[in-house]
Amino acid sequence: AQSVSQHNHHVILSEAASLELGCNYSYGGTVNLFWYVQYPGQHLQLLLKYFSGDPLVKGIKGFEAEFIKSKFSFNLRKPSVQWSDTAEYFCAVNADNAGNMLTFGGGTRLMVKP
Amino acid sequence: DAGVIQSPRHEVTEMGQEVTLRCKPISGHNSLFWYRQTMMRGLELLIYFNNNVPIDDSGMPEDRFSAKMPNASFSTLKIQPSEPRDSAVYFCASSLGQGRGGTEAFFGQGTRLTVV
Repeated sequence: AQSVSQHNHHVILSEAASLELGCNYSYGGTVNLFWYVQYPGQHLQLLLKYFSGDPLVKGIKGFEAEFIKSKFSFNLRKPSVQWSDTAEYFCAVNADNAGNMLTFGGGTRLMVKP
Repeated sequence: DAGVIQSPRHEVTEMGQEVTLRCKPISGHNSLFWYRQTMMRGLELLIYFNNNVPIDDSGMPEDRFSAKMPNASFSTLKIQPSEPRDSAVYFCASSLGQGRGGTEAFFGQGTRLTVV
């Protein structure tokens, strides 16, 4: 079964700092990739997704992610974070042998200090 | 569409009582998922339905948990009897389940369950 690893469990940044959150998965076949965000006390919302095509994907609120197939990675980036980006971020993978099921990483808690 | 609708939003119950959580997926979505989220274990997939049929229930923790999907617009997750360690936020999510983009999951607001 595939697995998804998010190596950074907690990240603390100051406003305007750049952000990169790591995501690696274990499946060698075709994948769909997602980043979700969960603001405090809220549900998971989609930030961005990759199905095919340009491996650099742009999402909402200035976030982007790059799919690097050779590294089995889909890292999330933002050039300049804001206090309002304080949230938990989840990477998720759908493998082509897993039906419609998403496998989620353990999440990364981001705190942005004003 | 109103999105995935879960009820109740909050539930407080005594240990040993039966708890039923409800979910209405987005109309036209063929896949439905129940997740549990706790600080200790993070986000766990409990069960996954496709076209109302349970496909993978390997995440259901024990026999006290059961889930049903009697039709395409309704699902329940039942815990009987409930225990304090079941306290968590339970999320329901749905996806199209077919075609390009069919695996994107849309989450409900969650039910915060507290068992005392």
